[in-house]
Amino acid sequence: NAGVTQTPKFRILKIGQSMTLQCTQDMNHNYMYWYRQDPGMGLKLIYYSVGAGITDKGEVPNGYNVSRSTTEDFPLRLELAAPSQTSVYFCASSYSSSAGMNTEAFFGQGTRLTVV
Amino acid sequence: GQNIDQPTEMTATEGAIVQINCTYQTSGFNGLFWYQQHAGEAPTFLSYNVLDGLEEKGRFSSFLSRSKGYSYLLLKELQMKDSASYLCASVDSNYQLIWGAGTKLIIKP
Repeated sequence: NAGVTQTPKFRILKIGQSMTLQCTQDMNHNYMYWYRQDPGMGLKLIYYSVGAGITDKGEVPNGYNVSRSTTEDFPLRLELAAPSQTSVYFCASSYSSSAGMNTEAFFGQGTRLTVV
Repeated sequence: GQNIDQPTEMTATEGAIVQINCTYQTSGFNGLFWYQQHAGEAPTFLSYNVLDGLEEKGRFSSFLSRSKGYSYLLLKELQMKDSASYLCASVDSNYQLIWGAGTKLIIKP
């Protein structure tokens, strides 16, 4: 059981470059999330998805884009990378139902991104 | 607005007990999670409370009072490996996770 697989683990980008962070989960979870975590800080939500074909902005969406074409995949796209996007990025997934069932969020290993 | 408050940092002694508090204000409530995060690693699940009361899991226990918007994580028989950040997250009416900034716990010998 792979859980949440996130790639790459590390990346250095030059200002203005673009890249896609990949995230895949095999638990059939409906919710998927992208967070960033700056040193010594908590998790900030970038984008989230409640199911295939549905995405929505979180707290800090500027400079990012996402898509959710399948239940399993939730890639995060950075366009025109800026130094302010230097951070650790976490993908996560969970299952929530209107009947009140909530599983815990499972996290990927994280991506350490540096923009220089 | 939605808000989760927890102390920024706490220090405790190996073998002792520590209580990390979390207060939440969210639009609706569908449960509260506690996670542990070691430096440089992803958060890992510790506990989930949706009803009032205490849930015990070995050395870790979590308490919830929905009427007070309050939870705490209790760690007993502290070990050096418990040095980590502890994150509190509330599930709102839209089933969104609202995260606190985390409490950094430092364990001293």
